[in-house]
Amino acid sequence: GQNIDQPTEMTATEGAIVQINCTYQTSGFNGLFWYQQHAGEAPTFLSYNVLDGLEEKGRFSSFLSRSKGYSYLLLKELQMKDSASYLCAVSPSKDSSYKLIFGSGTRLLVRP
Amino acid sequence: ETGVTQTPRHLVMGMTNKKSLKCEQHLGHNAMYWYKQSAKKPLELMFVYNFKEQTENNSVPSRFSPECPNSSHLFLHLHTLQPEDSALYLCASSQDLGGSGRPYEQYFGPGTRLTVT
Repeated sequence: GQNIDQPTEMTATEGAIVQINCTYQTSGFNGLFWYQQHAGEAPTFLSYNVLDGLEEKGRFSSFLSRSKGYSYLLLKELQMKDSASYLCAVSPSKDSSYKLIFGSGTRLLVRP
Repeated sequence: ETGVTQTPRHLVMGMTNKKSLKCEQHLGHNAMYWYKQSAKKPLELMFVYNFKEQTENNSVPSRFSPECPNSSHLFLHLHTLQPEDSALYLCASSQDLGGSGRPYEQYFGPGTRLTVT
């Protein structure tokens, strides 16, 4: 079967660093996406990893270990506007690369 | 603003009603998707269209009927729904379905919050 696991909720303090983990068990692997979704709004693309390692994009970084079936999203210098849900999604197949398997999302609350 | 709009944003309907959800993308994409997002559950892919042709029906009940008149517009026609169909319905688009390389990013609309009474 296909399975994506993420923590349901996390709380962090403004200005701090938070790491949101995602583990996956899928039939194949063709890349992993992170999306951000504010309440009542559209999910928006944050990052895509297909090779092992860390990719940095401003305050946000995403890490992938294919051998461990593991990724994390690292948010630095947290701001109140970072309060949102963060969705991890895997593309298991190159043949149907558009078929993403999503996790249930991690709701992050940033406190002052 | 992601370039994908959805109307209405909120909809309350009875089980005997017929209604339609509309999605429009202004990104020049060729693939469009319908997803269902229920509380505390993962996004579920419902339908996929590529160049106006349906390429995916993920075992969705026939009370949901999609329509894609062109690459910019996607509809979801609803009839005789059940209370368990209450959810956020998200539309998305991408450049196309991708080949054997990197999957294209999907751009999502804000969704229609549907409540079936």
